[in-house]
Amino acid sequence: QQPVQSPQAVILREGEDAVINCSSSKALYSVHWYRQKHGEAPVFLMILLKGGEQKGHEKISASFNEKKQQSSLYLTASQLSYSGTYFCGTEGGSTGNQFYFGTGTSLTVIP
Amino acid sequence: KAGVTQTPRYLIKTRGQQVTLSCSPISGHRSVSWYQQTPGQGLQFLFEYFSETQRNKGNFPGRFSGRQFSNSRSEMNVSTLELGDSALYLCASSLGGTLSGANVLTFGAGSRLTVL
Repeated sequence: QQPVQSPQAVILREGEDAVINCSSSKALYSVHWYRQKHGEAPVFLMILLKGGEQKGHEKISASFNEKKQQSSLYLTASQLSYSGTYFCGTEGGSTGNQFYFGTGTSLTVIP
Repeated sequence: KAGVTQTPRYLIKTRGQQVTLSCSPISGHRSVSWYQQTPGQGLQFLFEYFSETQRNKGNFPGRFSGRQFSNSRSEMNVSTLELGDSALYLCASSLGGTLSGANVLTFGAGSRLTVL
């Protein structure tokens, strides 16, 4: 039930845009996005609920297509601070408190 | 407010030993979950506790166990350590509600376990 993320890694220059995709083989009711910088804990970015709702964080936004069981994270005009590994997470388990995380997308922004 | 605190941050053990990791959640958070992070497998769910009860369990062998105390602090234990148990163990706390999308995880910095 682990979501699949693509690409696995991406290198950007400051100011460029990137898209990270997350797809699941099971029905999704929400998608969480987290970012983990090297040597640090993953940090919550945003949550998307069913209905195609889009959320934003700084210049990072995301979409959620529940029919396609997919979510995409959009990083616009990337900054050096955006570097890190991005994970999507989906809820599961008997109470929805068991998260399945994708294998992550390593994003590196260079000057 | 204080974040999620994990101790110890680093530890080295040898095969066959056991280890106990500790996690103090954010004040007011009643759910504590544990994840194993390795380069190849990403974040793998171990188990989740809420009000001292294990509510969810991932697909790990019985050597991995945990518990939660009345103050919501949690411990996880790994017995008979194997080389493959070397990983970063992350603890995350949340309010623990059962509404979809109602839970946002706050992670601790992790405990990095090396098994020799």
